[in-house]
Amino acid sequence: DGGITQSPKYLFRKEGQNVTLSCEQNLNHDAMYWYRQDPGQGLRLIYYSQIVNDFQKGDIAEGYSVSREKKESFPLTVTSAQKNPTAFYLCASSITWRGIQYFGAGTRLSVL
Amino acid sequence: AQTVTQSQPEMSVQEAETVTLSCTYDTSENNYYLFWYKQPPSRQMILVIRQEAYKQQNATENRFSVNFQKAAKSFSLKISDSQLGDTAMYFCAFMKHVPAEGSNYQLIWGAGTKLIIKP
Repeated sequence: DGGITQSPKYLFRKEGQNVTLSCEQNLNHDAMYWYRQDPGQGLRLIYYSQIVNDFQKGDIAEGYSVSREKKESFPLTVTSAQKNPTAFYLCASSITWRGIQYFGAGTRLSVL
Repeated sequence: AQTVTQSQPEMSVQEAETVTLSCTYDTSENNYYLFWYKQPPSRQMILVIRQEAYKQQNATENRFSVNFQKAAKSFSLKISDSQLGDTAMYFCAFMKHVPAEGSNYQLIWGAGTKLIIKP
């Protein structure tokens, strides 16, 4: 089955620690995205990548980093510089940068 | 700034009734896309329907249809014969062009409407 897999489903971060959220897709999509979802708010774009080895900052990139070394993978690292990381994180992909975005099941990140 | 507004934080209807969720947006662009996504309790975000601004005909997907009023910048979602499985958060989203980044588009999201279908 084609789709987007996010792992882990739940993640806990200790203060000062970097954590990495995984996102893998087997849809052969060129574009991938990371969103943050907080209660009562719409999704906010963290980073996006239109093609392998290229990515751009979204609206709330501070405290986050990404890489896009393979077409199917777009991991997100939440660094210690992100002071309020508790949120639900969604990864998405689209066939091109203008296509319909399809989503993974999300990762819930909490701070210990 | 381009924004998307969903004025109904929560709605509830009886099963089999029809319900309409409202969405307004603000843009100076002429060509764009609008979307409705559904997020059930599982939190998986699922595309419900898409509308292209240059098309005057309203998009329809089975029990889901939109009322797209371009001049009024309104994009409401109608759910007919509502079912228990329609219980979810519904998000309206607008795809904006980001000229500073070359040919790139980003989705701008509303805050969502929580829809509860009662048996």
